[in-house]
Amino acid sequence: GAVVSQHPSRVICKSGTSVKIECRSLDFQATTMFWYRQFPKQSLMLMATSNEGSKATYEQGVEKDKFLINHASLTLSTLTVTSAHPEDSSFYICSASSLGERSNQPQHFGDGTRLSIL
Amino acid sequence: AQSVAQPEDQVNVAEGNPLTVKCTYSVSGNPYLFWYVQYPNRGLQFLLKYITGDNLVKGSYGFEAEFNKSQTSFHLKKPSALVSDSALYFCAVRGPTKAAGNKLTFGGGTRVLVKP
Repeated sequence: GAVVSQHPSRVICKSGTSVKIECRSLDFQATTMFWYRQFPKQSLMLMATSNEGSKATYEQGVEKDKFLINHASLTLSTLTVTSAHPEDSSFYICSASSLGERSNQPQHFGDGTRLSIL
Repeated sequence: AQSVAQPEDQVNVAEGNPLTVKCTYSVSGNPYLFWYVQYPNRGLQFLLKYITGDNLVKGSYGFEAEFNKSQTSFHLKKPSALVSDSALYFCAVRGPTKAAGNKLTFGGGTRVLVKP
């Protein structure tokens, strides 16, 4: 089956640090990648949708300058949390989808990144 | 706007008993419906999907789900639950219009606890 690798799995860093999270599709080309944030015991909140070679589309209320997304190739998207603060601590999950805009294929998820800002 | 409701925060079931996790949805047109499972500190694993065709969909690990258009439901079922099925389950819907793209709307999740 389709595999999505997310790295790192856990990050602990000081307030003010910028943190980059990578999301890779290992055995398929991901035309679209999604970035979610999940708070404890809650559902996934979509932050942004990124399409290869174009700017990411952010959901309402998500700061573009705070959460920088780059989707430079069909197998890699990155999320950079700039100048992270304790309120940015959360579980971040990426997913990837293939075969174009109206694919009926499911999204395939990475294992998530637990970000803790001290 | 599309939405998904999972009315139960938690479902408790004894091992070997049938397991049902409820999901209802609201979307314009014919929906694409999905079930995912999440284990602690992990991402989501795909279980099954309904796009079109038979209302009863079979998926991974012995799970199945029944699409009911009149009740706008897509309940997840397993005839005989295992302790290892204890996890967080998410129902998700994608709208059929081009504008909806591939974006999923998730329900709030249902925690399943299977006791030995």
